[in-house]
Amino acid sequence: EDKVVQSPLSLVVHEGDTVTLNCSYEVTNFRSLLWYKQEKKAPTFLFMLTSSGIEKKSGRLSSILDKKELFSILNITATQTGDSAVYLCAVEGHSGTYKYIFGTGTRLKVLA
Amino acid sequence: EAQVTQNPRYLITVTGKKLTVTCSQNMNHEYMSWYRQDPGLGLRQIYYSMNVEVTDKGDVPEGYKVSRKEKRNFPLILESPSPNQTSLYFCASSFKGASGRPGNEQFFGPGTRLTVL
Repeated sequence: EDKVVQSPLSLVVHEGDTVTLNCSYEVTNFRSLLWYKQEKKAPTFLFMLTSSGIEKKSGRLSSILDKKELFSILNITATQTGDSAVYLCAVEGHSGTYKYIFGTGTRLKVLA
Repeated sequence: EAQVTQNPRYLITVTGKKLTVTCSQNMNHEYMSWYRQDPGLGLRQIYYSMNVEVTDKGDVPEGYKVSRKEKRNFPLILESPSPNQTSLYFCASSFKGASGRPGNEQFFGPGTRLTVL
């Protein structure tokens, strides 16, 4: 059965800290892995990764994929209170259908 | 403004009373999808559509129907709602990629909070 597992479930840090969020997966015919940020509303897109070892970067956020070990990490450096959110990992698989499997998310709280 | 809209945003109903949640996007996206989000279970895909008149089941399609008669609209129909369908529902859309797969980024609607009593 396809699954995406995120860890930790929740995390509390102080402003300025660096955090690493993990996403491991077992999905039939992996196509891509996506990271989303969800505040008290709809998820918003952060990154899409398809190739191993290539880091995607946007400001203080970066992400990398390891297709051999079937995981991805999302790093946030110099965290700010505005980074407080649930971070979702989703994997696109294709076993005859184009499905997205989401993890349950990591809830990050950044304290001032 | 490019967006995905859903209506209603909040709905309280009773068991067995048919309802429809509408979803509309103005970005000319081919791919549209419905998800439900429940505590501890994350987002689970209900149905998706690769284009007009093309729909397919996600992971949790039981108790739901969809239709895609126009490119911009993708309504979610609950013929006989039950309390276990109480959830937060999201509609999402994206371009179809060059290979025919869903494109990079799914744009999500604001969500519909449904309570079935």
